[in-house]
Amino acid sequence: QVQLVESGGGVVQPGRSLRLSCAASGFTFSSYAMHWVRQAPGKGLEWVSLISSDGGNKYSADSVKGRFTISRDSSKNTLYLQMNSLRADDTAVYYCARERVPVVSPLGYWGQGTLVTVSS
Amino acid sequence: EIVLTQSPGTLSLSPGERATLSCRASQNFGSSSLAWYQQKPGQTPRLLIYGASSRATGIPDRFSGSGSGTDFTLTISRLEPEDFAVYYCQQYVTSPLTFGGGTKVEI
Repeated sequence: QVQLVESGGGVVQPGRSLRLSCAASGFTFSSYAMHWVRQAPGKGLEWVSLISSDGGNKYSADSVKGRFTISRDSSKNTLYLQMNSLRADDTAVYYCARERVPVVSPLGYWGQGTLVTVSS
Repeated sequence: EIVLTQSPGTLSLSPGERATLSCRASQNFGSSSLAWYQQKPGQTPRLLIYGASSRATGIPDRFSGSGSGTDFTLTISRLEPEDFAVYYCQQYVTSPLTFGGGTKVEI
């Protein structure tokens, strides 16, 4: 079955960096686009970034553009989110998610999330 | 950016009642790329509806989606106790993908 397991969250000071990882299993990782979505405490869902199945196309929300970089390593079946210049409003649970089918499709599978807290 | 506005913010209903949730888009993007998710407290979002009206695998038929253009609706025909949750709509036709602010369905 599809499994997505995020790691790398924690407490970090404003302005510092953090890299999140998402280990994927149970499907052919290289066939699917992957996403990061975040949810601030008590708030709604915010899409963060998308990477195409081959890694050639990447898209990000304006709120993270220039600071966050999505990437993937198909040899390790792992998705990454490099987060630089972190701000207090980046505090959230970060979910990795897989599209439902390997075409333009919604987020059919989600990890359990990893909490990132940006605080001095 | 396509802005999705959900209403109402909170819906107070009883088990057995019908729930009607609205999602309005700031621009017309057809109907093929609108999804609905359910999120219960402390849980991961779950895909309910895609393509505006297709139920995801394992979703009970009391959940139905409709609409096109700029106006979309999620209907829960008869609320079960496990349906009390927050519901989000999302468009996935163009970047940035966007979510609505959510509707909380409470007892």
